[in-house]
Amino acid sequence: NAGVTQTPKFRVLKTGQSMTLLCAQDMNHEYMYWYRQDPGMGLRLIHYSVGEGTTAKGEVPDGYNVSRLKKQNFLLGLESAAPSQTSVYFCASSYDSSSTDTQYFGPGTRLTVL
Amino acid sequence: QQQVKQSPQSLIVQKGGISIINCAYENTAFDYFPWYQQFPGKGPALLIAIRPDVSEKKEGRFTISFNKSAKQFSLHIMDSQPGDSATYFCAASSGTYKYIFGTGTRLKVLA
Repeated sequence: NAGVTQTPKFRVLKTGQSMTLLCAQDMNHEYMYWYRQDPGMGLRLIHYSVGEGTTAKGEVPDGYNVSRLKKQNFLLGLESAAPSQTSVYFCASSYDSSSTDTQYFGPGTRLTVL
Repeated sequence: QQQVKQSPQSLIVQKGGISIINCAYENTAFDYFPWYQQFPGKGPALLIAIRPDVSEKKEGRFTISFNKSAKQFSLHIMDSQPGDSATYFCAASSGTYKYIFGTGTRLKVLA
């Protein structure tokens, strides 16, 4: 089991460019999440999905879009990158909807927007 | 209401010492309080968690103390080791999969 994997690990963009971050999990989890991690701000939820074909907004969704066409994949898109989106992005997944269910995190993608 | 306040921001402890990280919350609907450990260049991983029906949970050298009336909970790392050097996040959730994370504590244990 690879768990949760993220592609790419690092990326540098220029302002206005677009990109897609890919998250994949092989644990047959229903729930998937995208977080961003910034110094002194902890982890903030961007978007999440409660199942294939569903997505919902989290705490900081502006400037991002997501898609969950397959159960195992969750894509995060930046249509027009801005320097404020420089961050480390983490994908996570969990099996069910209970609050006690563990969220498993990927290794992260470090994105720099110039 | 939805915030989880974590302190200190950073902590330096001698090997063998006790590391203590504190978190406080306002939302009394929170019913699950996990702690995540994150090593540099890695994603966070669940370390230990507690529900508010108990005041303490211990797993090896790691203990969560929970004070429901004060709306506070803390992580204690006994006999701290250099391998414990990492960033620790507390979190809270209220009956759903949505976690509210604290801002993190960077722990350094000196050899």
